Amino acid sequence: ETGVTQTPRHLVMGMTNKKSLKCEQHLGHNAMYWYKQSAKKPLELMFVYSLEERVENNSVPSRFSPECPNSSHLFLHLHTLQPEDSALYLCASSQDLTRGVPPSDTDTQYFGPGTRLTVL
Amino acid sequence: KNEVEQSPQNLTAQEGEFITINCSYSVGISALHWLQQHPGGGIVSLFMLSSGKKKHGRLIATINIQEKHSSLHITASHPRDSAVYICAVRSVTDKLIFGTGTRLQVFP
Repeated sequence: ETGVTQTPRHLVMGMTNKKSLKCEQHLGHNAMYWYKQSAKKPLELMFVYSLEERVENNSVPSRFSPECPNSSHLFLHLHTLQPEDSALYLCASSQDLTRGVPPSDTDTQYFGPGTRLTVL
Repeated sequence: KNEVEQSPQNLTAQEGEFITINCSYSVGISALHWLQQHPGGGIVSLFMLSSGKKKHGRLIATINIQEKHSSLHITASHPRDSAVYICAVRSVTDKLIFGTGTRLQVFP
């Protein structure tokens, strides 16, 4: 139990559906992240939020739309996805985005269990 | 070629064996992380290193900054250690770069 929860754990959707993934962290962290993990590929960072403000968007297609209403909750809204979007979507949080020298434990990210998404 | 390479990609071991997983990177870094991902997807952070060596229970992580190489060692391996082990680096440009992971299976 890392203090980061994700729902649903599994999701099957058609290409015309609209669905949302939810992430909640109970750690009092200020930064939250969405990652995509496809088979046999490294984790890909999709979005970063710090204090509810999006600070990073790594060329993610507009069919993925993040929302961070407060520092404890992060959503990923999905719309007209493609079969190649099927993957494990992981949420993570960290204390903050600042990085001291040397790196501190506030850089450590705590991951949720992920949502296994299948797009038919 | 990925900026973070792990070897081996797959590893099987008998319970009790000493295991080593390697990570090499090609960028300047401020920190290196070792993560453990269990079947079902959940990821746990094991270590964050910027120099030297860290130990936690049966796990030991080392890093050689000059050689741009890190190793994760598991002593007296156990079936519950079966997981994917992921190396990730924080580059000096503040980018977090992940390796593709090493899948470890430990048999009784």
